[in-house]
Amino acid sequence: EDQVTQSPEALRLQEGESSSLNCSYTVSGLRGLFWYRQDPGKGPEFLFTLYSAGEEKEKERLKATLTKKESFLHITAPKPEDSATYLCAVRSFGNEKLTFGTGTRLTIIP
Amino acid sequence: GAVVSQHPSWVICKSGTSVKIECRSLDFQATTMFWYRQFPKQSLMLMATSNEGSKATYEQGVEKDKFLINHASLTLSTLTVTSAHPEDSSFYICSARGDRELGQPQHFGDGTRLSIL
Repeated sequence: EDQVTQSPEALRLQEGESSSLNCSYTVSGLRGLFWYRQDPGKGPEFLFTLYSAGEEKEKERLKATLTKKESFLHITAPKPEDSATYLCAVRSFGNEKLTFGTGTRLTIIP
Repeated sequence: GAVVSQHPSWVICKSGTSVKIECRSLDFQATTMFWYRQFPKQSLMLMATSNEGSKATYEQGVEKDKFLINHASLTLSTLTVTSAHPEDSSFYICSARGDRELGQPQHFGDGTRLSIL
């Protein structure tokens, strides 16, 4: 059974203070690892897909990396508008479904 | 690209009525659509998976007769909550994926907040 664990559960940073969010996963065979951002009262917004260990993707202040056991979402010099819950999910081969972690609630303080 | 529209965004109705929620992929063809339920401060709980033209596959514990799913076209899926009761009040979110095999991401709608009085 696929499993995803995200840490920390919540993170408060000062504006400009860089940090990383962790997503540890267990799958039989990784089809893809996905990062989403969810604002309160909204559906998740797709950020990145990573397919194999060593892969990296960047978008503005966000950078996602992948190893065989975990993924990191690095946030560089964050701004208040980066405040949201960040969700990690995995899909294994032969499986239609995504398995989600419980998310990291990120708050950036001006 | 990859926009998913969900309607309505908010609905309040009396106990015993049925409520239909629509999910549309606006700029791509969705071979597979998913329906989730989310409780406050919790992650998404998958309710069912539907492929265009096929019957939906429901997760364990989800009542098929309570939550009717139709995926009649490549751009539209509907969820009907039949004879809704207060315990059905929740945030319902749909997602759509354009390809079953290439590991493409699911794209989500903005959710429907359902309140049953």
